Amino acid sequence: DGGITQSPKYLFRKEGQNVTLSCEQNLNHDAMYWYRQDPGQGLRLIYYSQIVNDFQKGDIAEGYSVSREKKESFPLTVTSAQKNPTAFYLCASSRVGRAGELFFGEGSRLTVL
Amino acid sequence: QQQVKQSPQSLIVQKGGISIINCAYENTAFDYFPWYQQFPGKGPALLIAIRPDVSEKKEGRFTISFNKSAKQFSLHIMDSQPGDSATYFCAASRDSGGGADGLTFGKGTHLIIQP
Repeated sequence: DGGITQSPKYLFRKEGQNVTLSCEQNLNHDAMYWYRQDPGQGLRLIYYSQIVNDFQKGDIAEGYSVSREKKESFPLTVTSAQKNPTAFYLCASSRVGRAGELFFGEGSRLTVL
Repeated sequence: QQQVKQSPQSLIVQKGGISIINCAYENTAFDYFPWYQQFPGKGPALLIAIRPDVSEKKEGRFTISFNKSAKQFSLHIMDSQPGDSATYFCAASRDSGGGADGLTFGKGTHLIIQP
């Protein structure tokens, strides 16, 4: 079945450590996105990519980095520069020009100890 | 600046009743308005969507009403069922411009349907 796979589902990290969240899709979508979800805050865009080897900052990119070396993969690194990294992270994909029709993964919950 | 405002934050409806969630937007360049449904511990899933050239769209028990002049749209869930208990997000995007910057989401409504 086509879909988006995020891993790990749960992740704990100590302050000062970088962590990388994996996102893989087999929907053949060109566009991929990372959102952060906090209680009562909705979903906020971190980074997005419309094509391999190109990506753009979203509304809350500070403290995060991404890469897009393959069409299927869009990993997110939460760096030690992110002041409040504890959150639920969602990866999504869409066809180019159909950004309103997002397909989401099941999310990764990051907790900083 | 919050471009999509959603209300209420939480809602309790009796089984069989009508659930109504409202959203207002500011950016007139938005041309696609979807609603997403999210169950606990899962990613959101597209539920229903509308474009501004129509005032209403119905899919089963779910209806979107759209008021372009007021820049408002709402989700109505008829005959609400306990299985509809979830968090609902309204959103907006500029699909005609390629939608490169993704969706702008409201803050969500936690809906509980009481049996």
